[in-house]
Amino acid sequence: AQTVTQSQPEMSVQEAETVTLSCTYDTSESDYYLFWYKQPPSRQMILVIRQEAYKQQNATENRFSVNFQKAAKSFSLKISDSQLGDAAMYFCAYYVDDKIIFGKGTRLHILP
Amino acid sequence: EPEVTQTPSHQVTQMGQEVILRCVPISNHLYFYWYRQILGQKVEFLVSFYNNEISEKSEIFDDQFSVERPDGSNFTLKIRSTKLEDSAMYFCGVRGAYNEQFFGPGTRLTVL
Repeated sequence: AQTVTQSQPEMSVQEAETVTLSCTYDTSESDYYLFWYKQPPSRQMILVIRQEAYKQQNATENRFSVNFQKAAKSFSLKISDSQLGDAAMYFCAYYVDDKIIFGKGTRLHILP
Repeated sequence: EPEVTQTPSHQVTQMGQEVILRCVPISNHLYFYWYRQILGQKVEFLVSFYNNEISEKSEIFDDQFSVERPDGSNFTLKIRSTKLEDSAMYFCGVRGAYNEQFFGPGTRLTVL
């Protein structure tokens, strides 16, 4: 069964610093997609970044980047120059069989 | 620009009543999804819908749930006889070009 594990329920980072959120997943597929979603207090689910498993190059979106280790089934999110608006719940997610499987999330606090 | 809107934003109902949650895509989409998030928990897949048919559904999506797209525009989720445990945030999603899903702002369902 496909699973997504986020081992850090909560994390804190100082404003302007860098933080890395961890995610591991389990799959027997060779081609798949991985995502990070952000859920601010409004509870809207916002796509932060995506990674295609067949691409070796790590995806980046402005201050957000991933470290994708396919053999290790690891997909971490790095947020550089953290801002107060980055405070949210972050969900790692995996696409398979026309559905997305989410991890339990990591709540990120930004300290001013 | 949001890909999809949802109505209502908040629905309060009595246990045993029927509710219909609506999703309106902003532009042409072919693949639709419903997910739910019980407060404080992870986001869970309910159902995917393509070409007027269910393509995947989870164990949660039992006979109490149904989906349809009656007018080729709105995509609805019906819960026939609500239970207390149906209280959750319900998200409608549409598929993007890379299998990512873009979610609406959600409908908060409260069953009393």
